[in-house]
Amino acid sequence: DAKTTQPTSMDCAEGRAANLPCNHSTISGNEYVYWYRQIHSQGPQYIIHGLKNNETNEMASLIITEDRKSSTLILPHATLRDTAVYYCIVMGSQGNLIFGKGTKLSVKP
Amino acid sequence: DTEVTQTPKHLVMGMTNKKSLKCEQHMGHRAMYWYKQKAKKPPELMFVYSYEKLSINESVPSRFSPECPNSSLLNLHLHALQPEDSALYLCASSQSTGRGLLAYGYTFGSGTRLTVV
Repeated sequence: DAKTTQPTSMDCAEGRAANLPCNHSTISGNEYVYWYRQIHSQGPQYIIHGLKNNETNEMASLIITEDRKSSTLILPHATLRDTAVYYCIVMGSQGNLIFGKGTKLSVKP
Repeated sequence: DTEVTQTPKHLVMGMTNKKSLKCEQHMGHRAMYWYKQKAKKPPELMFVYSYEKLSINESVPSRFSPECPNSSLLNLHLHALQPEDSALYLCASSQSTGRGLLAYGYTFGSGTRLTVV
């Protein structure tokens, strides 16, 4: 079973920041938090991942709470092309990528 | 080359047909995966190959037969499928385990849309 809990769906206005929450209260000390997204009928796309520290790349920022029990993916300026299902996944070095239900993000004009 | 290539993109097959899905990567990844995704559902892990050996079979019916002929290629042989097997079949690859896996995660192909009639 997936180790994460995410809202089923969220809306965001184009140009605004999209903040997608994820709960992973049973995460182990050596497990990372990964975010992938899947645009309709395409393969999942890697976005970002982290262990303890906040991370930022050209696509997004990842904020992980100090107790590591939850995290937030931030898309700073959402566009219509960011409409997708976003998956938060916890994985360790010996694990496999197991998808939960994800959050369907709809970016609206 | 940073891609996973899946062929064909679309496949329609009858219940008595035999067909194969192909997946290829040239990133030097030593782990490869098959996922099945039904409409409006998340991808479900089917098989894991590590160093060309099957390491995980998630109780997949025998009408699905995976094969890893070499480190760059992964096949999924299909035989006597049912209409409920219609789905998007996704292939992925990764560094096998450890730091490489954690640093880069998985790379997915675009999938093969399979319809069984």
